[in-house]
Amino acid sequence: EAQVTQNPRYLITVTGKKLTVTCSQNMNHEYMSWYRQDPGLGLRQIYYSMNVEVTDKGDVPEGYKVSRKEKRNFPLILESPSPNQTSLYFCASSLNAGLGNQPQHFGDGTRLSIL
Amino acid sequence: DAKTTQPPSMDCAEGRAANLPCNHSTISGNEYVYWYRQIHSQGPQYIIHGLKNNETNEMASLIITEDRKSSTLILPHATLRDTAVYYCIVKGARGYQKVTFGTGTKLQVIP
Repeated sequence: EAQVTQNPRYLITVTGKKLTVTCSQNMNHEYMSWYRQDPGLGLRQIYYSMNVEVTDKGDVPEGYKVSRKEKRNFPLILESPSPNQTSLYFCASSLNAGLGNQPQHFGDGTRLSIL
Repeated sequence: DAKTTQPPSMDCAEGRAANLPCNHSTISGNEYVYWYRQIHSQGPQYIIHGLKNNETNEMASLIITEDRKSSTLILPHATLRDTAVYYCIVKGARGYQKVTFGTGTKLQVIP
């Protein structure tokens, strides 16, 4: 089954403890992206990747890192999490980053709580 | 990419057509209009997209005005399961790059 898989789905942690949220897609998609969703603010893009080893900042990249060493994986790294990064996070992918007529496929989300 | 404007909320009676508007007055000639929806806190689900012509699939119809400055998503026979937040976004032909979703329209289908 074609899907975008995020892990963990839920995480409660403490300020300053490094964490990684993994994202994997099995569709051989070029484009991958991370979003965060907060009440009243909609979906905001954190980082995106057009292909392996090609990443760029979205609208809210501060406090996050990403890497794209392989096509299928796009982990989101919080080196020193803070309470303002408590949010619902979504990973998404699409087939061809160079074409405009490719819809994004989203994962089920990761709910992070940072105390 | 062009920005979009949507009403924050709408109601629709069950069984009736739901017409969700989107304004994208700064759209460029090679930019596509996409619609997604998000039910509760699930991952957004792709619905439909179009460039110039009207489009229809098993979920919905997309009507794009001739000047392409606005569009309407039509759910022909709304059900309670269509209650969701609907997002209209515009994306260029060069690919996704940075994407802005906005806050969408909260559609409430009423029994």
